[in-house]
Amino acid sequence: NAGVTQTPKFRVLKTGQSMTLLCAQDMNHEYMYWYRQDPGMGLRLIHYSVGEGTTAKGEVPDGYNVSRLKKQNFLLGLESAAPSQTSVYFCASSASNTRRVNEQFFGPGTRLTVL
Amino acid sequence: AQKVTQAQTEISVVEKEDVTLDCVYETRDTTYYLFWYKQPPSGELVFLIRRNSFDEQNEISGRYSWNFQKSTSSFNFTITASQVVDSAVYFCALSEGGGADGLTFGKGTHLIIQP
Repeated sequence: NAGVTQTPKFRVLKTGQSMTLLCAQDMNHEYMYWYRQDPGMGLRLIHYSVGEGTTAKGEVPDGYNVSRLKKQNFLLGLESAAPSQTSVYFCASSASNTRRVNEQFFGPGTRLTVL
Repeated sequence: AQKVTQAQTEISVVEKEDVTLDCVYETRDTTYYLFWYKQPPSGELVFLIRRNSFDEQNEISGRYSWNFQKSTSSFNFTITASQVVDSAVYFCALSEGGGADGLTFGKGTHLIIQP
């Protein structure tokens, strides 16, 4: 099993460009999450999804959109990138059954730089 | 609103010393989960432990131990006989209720183990 994978691993954008980050998991997890990690800030939740076709806002959703068209994939979009979105982005997934709830499995991260 | 505080930004110790990382949390829920994750220099997030609010038993796993005290809203992490490989950023995190809506992370403690 690959676990949680993220594409791409690195990306450099110019201000105003758009891009989509892809997260895929092969563990049949219901829940998926996007976080961003900035120096000295820990990880902050951007958006999350509790199932196919559903999404919800987290702590820092502005400037991002997400989609969960397939259970195994969770896409994070930046429509018009800004330098403030320079960060490391982590995707995570977790199961929804009672015994395993909340143990989140993280992808390797995507390092995004916006110039 | 939930909050996690890791007051120690950076700790530096000499190998074989014991070290304790502090974590204080705030939540209004009676049901919640607490976590510790390790982020080594390579950048991935490694799950260490999950503890639910109804289980105050301390836990020991090899050189690692965790002390959960609801009376002081703390979930501290101790590494005994530290090793250079323990050098990493350690994050404490909290999830409320059913846990579907993601983790709230502390800002992390950078642990440096000097040989």
